[in-house]
Formats: sequence, C-alpha cells, structure tokens
Amino acid sequence: AQTVTQSQPEMSVQEAETVTLSCTYDTSESDYYLFWYKQPPSRQMILVIRQEAYKQQNATENRFSVNFQKAAKSFSLKISDSQLGDAAMYFCAYRSYGSSGSRLTFGEGTQLTVNP
Amino acid sequence: DTGVSQDPRHKITKRGQNVTFRCDPISEHNRLYWYRQTLGQGPEFLTYFQNEAQLEKSRLLSDRFSAERPKGSFSTLEIQRTEQGDSAMYLCASSMGLASAYEQYFGPGTRLTVT
Repeated sequence: AQTVTQSQPEMSVQEAETVTLSCTYDTSESDYYLFWYKQPPSRQMILVIRQEAYKQQNATENRFSVNFQKAAKSFSLKISDSQLGDAAMYFCAYRSYGSSGSRLTFGEGTQLTVNP
Repeated sequence: DTGVSQDPRHKITKRGQNVTFRCDPISEHNRLYWYRQTLGQGPEFLTYFQNEAQLEKSRLLSDRFSAERPKGSFSTLEIQRTEQGDSAMYLCASSMGLASAYEQYFGPGTRLTVT
C-alpha cells in the first residue's frame, strides 16, 4: 500500500515571500501521479498542481512549482510571491497509474499561514 | 454553479440513528468518489463508482456503511446505527473518463456530528 507523509503540520510565510512545503511518499510502483490540493477554511478542496511520475520535468502552474525527486520519493511544493489568499491547508496526494488507479491517498496536511 | 454539490452541509444526529447523505457530481462525470476526513487529517478513501457500478470499497467502509449510485448520476451514502467515531467530514468527488490523470473535483462536504 502506498503512504504519503507531510512532516510539517504548520508553516508560515510573509506575504510576497517564498515557502516550500514538503512531502514524501512510499510506493513500489514505477508509474503514478502526485498532486497538491489546497483546502481553504470552510471551502472545498481544489487541485493546485499535478505531476506525472514518468515526466522528468517538474510541473509549474504560475506561482506554484514542484520539486519532484523520484529516487528519493520526494515531492515538495514551492509557492512564490505568497498571497493572503494562499492561506489554507495543503495536502499532498498519490494516485496509481492506469484505469485501475482511482483512489487518492492523502498526507496529513500542512496548514499554511500567510502573514501580511 | 455546475460543481459537485452535497446535501446536507451539516448533520447532527444522536448515536444509533441512521443518516443519509447525497452527492450530485458534475453532470458529465462518470466516476464518483466518497472520502472521509476527520479533524486535522487528510481525506481517506471510502469507495468509488464508475457509472452505477461500485468498483472499489475501502476496509474503512464497515457493514454499517452503504453507498449507491442507482442511475449513474447522484449518489447516496448511508450510515446505519451511527457511532461517535463516525463524526467527520464526508467528501464527495467526481471525475471524467477512465484515465487516472483526470482531476477529481471535490464537493464542499457534509459535516456529521454524532452526539
């Protein structure tokens, strides 16, 4: 079974600064997907960024980028130019590849605070 | 709004009562998922449907839990003889197609409190 670990329960960053959230995972599979989801207070979870394991290039979405280290089974999220609206709980998630892969396996989450 | 909707948003019930939650996925999505999220934790997978077929169930889904998606559209999750340990946020998500890459879109959740 796959496991996902987020070792930072809480992080804080100053507005306009950069912050990195950590995630490690354990799997015996060679093909899979990794995701970062954002869950604002009392609001629904939304996808921030996705990485396919077979791609060597790190995914980027505007101010959000990942550092994917497949051998180390590490998948960190970097948020540049942090904004107040980035404050939320962030979850790292794993999903197997192929039609048999359906469930998302989530980490425990990192609560991000953005200070003005 | 054409996103995933869930009803009710909050439910308070007494231990031993039965509760039923409803999820309406995005209309063209053929996959529907249920997750449970306890306070301070990440969501945990419960079950998923492809159209009306329930294809996978987690060991977390005890025999007190049952989920249906009768016409491949909306889904219901029923918990019988609720226990205090069932208190959690129940999240529904939907996705399109068969490929794992397709994004799961989440609803706002139903928060269950068992007293």
